[in-house]
Amino acid sequence: KNEVEQSPQNLTAQEGEFITINCSYSVGISALHWLQQHPGGGIVSLFMLSSGKKKHGRLIATINIQEKHSSLHITASHPRDSAVYICAVGALNFGNEKLTFGTGTRLTIIP
Amino acid sequence: NAGVTQTPKFRILKIGQSMTLQCTQDMNHNYMYWYRQDPGMGLKLIYYSVGAGITDKGEVPNGYNVSRSTTEDFPLRLELAAPSQTSVYFCASSLTVAGNTIYFGEGSWLTVV
Repeated sequence: KNEVEQSPQNLTAQEGEFITINCSYSVGISALHWLQQHPGGGIVSLFMLSSGKKKHGRLIATINIQEKHSSLHITASHPRDSAVYICAVGALNFGNEKLTFGTGTRLTIIP
Repeated sequence: NAGVTQTPKFRILKIGQSMTLQCTQDMNHNYMYWYRQDPGMGLKLIYYSVGAGITDKGEVPNGYNVSRSTTEDFPLRLELAAPSQTSVYFCASSLTVAGNTIYFGEGSWLTVV
């Protein structure tokens, strides 16, 4: 079974700080997703990647397949970034029907 | 575009009652999924569908049923509700099963008392 571990579980930072959230997994994967869950509960997909690096605005996601590790970075963090960030990995040779989700990292950005 | 719409947002059920969580997507996605999210746990797949008329069990299907009569709709039926089904339920969809972004609904909070 592919376990997904996220760290830290909780993170509090000041506005403007550079944020890093980590995700480690145990077996080969087909793809990795980063999701954002706001306090109201809705979940939004931020990135899907299988290699390298992707950037969208102030968000950057990287993945190292050999080390089975991914990071989500937020530059110039803002209070509106406060949310739970969830990593999910797709089992090798499968797609979204075989995702394993991490328990999430709760990020709080203080003004 | 509304994306993925699920109803109701909140519901309290008594033990033994039944109910249906509705899910509709307007993106013409083939793949639809139902997940449950328990406190401190990652999302778990209940059922998924690869297209109209085709459904399959996920990781935690017991106590639930689904149907997919149209591309747009994927209702989740809870039969004989139990306290263990108290959870937040998310419907999601994607165009294909691999290599595609997943779109989630806003969630349905269900409490069984």
